[in-house]
Amino acid sequence: EVQLVESGGGLVKPGGSLRLSCTGSGFDVAMYGMEWVRQAPGKGLEWVAYLSKSGEYKYYADSVKGRFAITRDTAKNSVSLEMSSLGVEDTAIYYCVRDRDCVGDCGFDYWGQGTLVTVSS
Amino acid sequence: NFILSQPHSVSESPGKTVTISCTRMRGSIDSNYVQWYQQRPGKAPTTVIYENDQRPSGVPSRFSGSIDRTSNSASLTISGLKAEDEADYYCQSFDDRSPRIFGGGTRLTVL
Repeated sequence: EVQLVESGGGLVKPGGSLRLSCTGSGFDVAMYGMEWVRQAPGKGLEWVAYLSKSGEYKYYADSVKGRFAITRDTAKNSVSLEMSSLGVEDTAIYYCVRDRDCVGDCGFDYWGQGTLVTVSS
Repeated sequence: NFILSQPHSVSESPGKTVTISCTRMRGSIDSNYVQWYQQRPGKAPTTVIYENDQRPSGVPSRFSGSIDRTSNSASLTISGLKAEDEADYYCQSFDDRSPRIFGGGTRLTVL
C-alpha cells in the first residue's frame, strides 16, 4: 500500500527555518515526481514545489522561490522541504504528494496527511 | 500565470446531479490535462478525476469529468448525490509558465 507520511511541522518564529520530511512506503520515491502543496487555514490549495523523477528539475512557486528547497534522500526513501526566512504567510498545512506516473503532466495520485507549520512570534 | 475560476459554492439535494465548473482564464482548457481533487472536512485531498475525464480506481462512477472548448472550461459532474459527497472540490492544471495551478475551490453542500 502506498503511503506518504509527513513530519517536521511545528511552531517557528518569523524569520526562522524549518525542515519538513515526507517518507514514502510501498513505492520508491526515486521513481516518481514528488511535490509539496500547502493550504493556509481556511484557504484553498497552493502548489509549493516540484522535484522531477530524475532529480534534475526543481520548480518553485514564486511565493517561496529563493527561500524553500526541495530535496530527495533515496536511502531514506524520503523527500524534504527546507524552508527559511519564514513569514506569517507561510503558515499552512503542508502536504506531500506523488505525481501520477504518465506521459507529460497528469496531476497527483497520492497525498500525505499533512503537517502543520505555524509561523508566529 | 493563468487562473482557474470556480464557483465559490454549490448545493443540491441527495439523489440529484450537480456540476461544478472550472473556467480557464488565459490559454486553452484543452492545452493541458485538468484534474479534480476532493477534500472532505478536516481531511487531506484525494483525486477523483485525472486527465480531464479519468477516474482513479475506487472512485465511484457517479463522478465524471469533461472539457468544453467553447466555454474554455472543465466540469466535474456528480450524479446520485450522497451526504458523503459534501466536500470542497478543486480543479488543477498547468502550462509551461505555471507548473501547477489550482482553482479556488468549490464548497459542495448536500442539502
